[in-house]
Amino acid sequence: GAVVSQHPSWVICKSGTSVKIECRSLDFQATTMFWYRQFPKQSLMLMATSNEGSKATYEQGVEKDKFLINHASLTLSTLTVTSAHPEDSSFYICSATGWNTEAFFGQGTRLTVV
Amino acid sequence: AQSVTQLDSHVSVSEGTPVLLRCNYSSSYSPSLFWYVQHPNKGLQLLLKYTSAATLVKGINGFEAEFKKSETSFHLTKPSAHMSDAAEYFCVVSDTNAGKSTFGDGTTLTVKP
Repeated sequence: GAVVSQHPSWVICKSGTSVKIECRSLDFQATTMFWYRQFPKQSLMLMATSNEGSKATYEQGVEKDKFLINHASLTLSTLTVTSAHPEDSSFYICSATGWNTEAFFGQGTRLTVV
Repeated sequence: AQSVTQLDSHVSVSEGTPVLLRCNYSSSYSPSLFWYVQHPNKGLQLLLKYTSAATLVKGINGFEAEFKKSETSFHLTKPSAHMSDAAEYFCVVSDTNAGKSTFGDGTTLTVKP
């Protein structure tokens, strides 16, 4: 099956700094990528949807200026958590879909802000 | 619109006994359905998926699920639980055309020795 690689798998950063998470489709062209967040002992919630070459669409309640999403190519999307705070500590996971294909998930990134 | 309901937040079984994790879905489209497993502090691992082919889907580690359109269900089963099966399980429905996935709330499976 198709492979989606997410990097890093875990990161610890200081409060106030920014963190970038990459999501790559390794063997297919991802026309759309999705970013999810999972708080401890909760399910995954969709944060935003990004289509290659256009601005991301954010779900209600997600701050677009804090969670910057870039989808500049058909194989790479990035999520940047700006001015991170401890409450942003979470598990972030991306998924990617190509032309009329199912979504394939990355392995996730565990962010801890100290 | 799509949604998924995992009917049990916690399931506890004894090692060697059958496992049943229940999932009901709703979707405006012909959905794709998935089961993922997540071990503590780990990412998601795909167990199996249904994408409009055979209604009985076999996955990894002895798991299987049956798509029942009339019941809008996609329950996950395994004949004999192993200690290593203890984890969080997520049922997911995806709009194949858009790829947007909706997760259930998860079911925590505990396996007793």
